Amino acid sequence: SQTIHQWPATLVQPVGSPLSLECTVEGTSNPNLYWYRQAAGRGLQLLFYSVGIGQISSEVPQNLSASRPQDRQFILSSKKLLLSDSGFYLCAWGAGENTGELFFGEGSRLTVL
Amino acid sequence: GNSVTQMEGPVTLSEEAFLTINCTYTATGYPSLFWYVQYPGEGLQLLLKATKADDKGSNKGFEATYRKETTSFHLEKGSVQVSDSAVYFCALSDSTGAQKLVFGQGTRLTINP
Repeated sequence: SQTIHQWPATLVQPVGSPLSLECTVEGTSNPNLYWYRQAAGRGLQLLFYSVGIGQISSEVPQNLSASRPQDRQFILSSKKLLLSDSGFYLCAWGAGENTGELFFGEGSRLTVL
Repeated sequence: GNSVTQMEGPVTLSEEAFLTINCTYTATGYPSLFWYVQYPGEGLQLLLKATKADDKGSNKGFEATYRKETTSFHLEKGSVQVSDSAVYFCALSDSTGAQKLVFGQGTRLTINP
């Protein structure tokens, strides 16, 4: 069966520090991968998605970047965090079929102080 | 562009009450529609889905009908339980190969015993 993991689960970082959140998927190949952010009291915003290795699409201009160095690995990064980067980050994968269903990881809560 | 509007919360009900959470959408083409649920401290999981007009999705006593004429996908349950307390997200999937989900802002539901 397929599983998705992301880490760390919780992170507290000072403003201006770097960020790296990792996400890996097991049990499937060539998945579509996604990073969403859930800010406090708000819905989910799609940040990045990837349909293949090295292929990254950004949905909103921001302080973050994403990379996909391997088929089932998706990394969210920042060189210098801002206060506004605080939130709950969710990685997800989809089979790329026309069902639209996504499978989400457990989430990573980032607090920037 | 595509968008989803959800009934604003929070919603508080007593156990065994009837639940409706409204969801309307704006989309080009014929999107698939979803309800996701997020239990405290967890990622999102799919609750139910419908892929074409007049389809009814159902799971765990919840149901929602894809109404193209009113562009709606309201979530209902006849008798809620304390364990249904969670945040509920309505979402649509565009018809592109990237299978991006557009989410509503979420509705926090609390069920009191």
